[in-house]
Amino acid sequence: KAGVTQTPRYLIKTRGQQVTLSCSPISGHRSVSWYQQTPGQGLQFLFEYFSETQRNKGNFPGRFSGRQFSNSRSEMNVSTLELGDSALYLCASSLMLTANTEAFFGQGTRLTVV
Amino acid sequence: TQLLEQSPQFLSIQEGENLTVYCNSSSVFSSLQWYRQEPGEGPVLLVTVVTGGEVKKLKRLTFQFGDARKDSSLHITAAQPGDTGLYLCAGADFNKFYFGSGTKLNVKP
Repeated sequence: KAGVTQTPRYLIKTRGQQVTLSCSPISGHRSVSWYQQTPGQGLQFLFEYFSETQRNKGNFPGRFSGRQFSNSRSEMNVSTLELGDSALYLCASSLMLTANTEAFFGQGTRLTVV
Repeated sequence: TQLLEQSPQFLSIQEGENLTVYCNSSSVFSSLQWYRQEPGEGPVLLVTVVTGGEVKKLKRLTFQFGDARKDSSLHITAAQPGDTGLYLCAGADFNKFYFGSGTKLNVKP
């Protein structure tokens, strides 16, 4: 059974550009969550999608957006990149967010903004 | 506000020593997960605990869920260099995960 796949693994962008990251969840998983991880802030929740609908959103500016497709694959977009957006972006998939759910993470996309 | 507090934040020990990492919260969670993350990689799920008072063992790792389902601990016996990494606890609510800030463990050979 394939795990969570994130592409690309590494990305270097310039300030002001925009970027799109992709996440393919485990087959059958309908929930996809996105996190930003930096050394100083730890894992910060960005948003969660379930069956193409955004159910939860963290405290990030509107430059951060996402979407989920009918096959559960998800993308997140960051527009007008800032240096502080440099981070490891992690995607996690879950079968369904019920009381005893488990999240399985991808390897992440390392974004560097220069 | 961090819902889950992990302690200690950093731990550097010698191979063969025992250690305990704590994950505390004022909130009740329906389940709690422990993950280990290596640099540049995503967190890998180690265990899920669901029932208050539950104890689970994974080789040299022992996980305990508090009776009130607000806190948890991870005990490692005879630590090895391969145990080095960032240990994260996560509390699950019905549609969201709350992550602790992590404990960075370094086991020196």
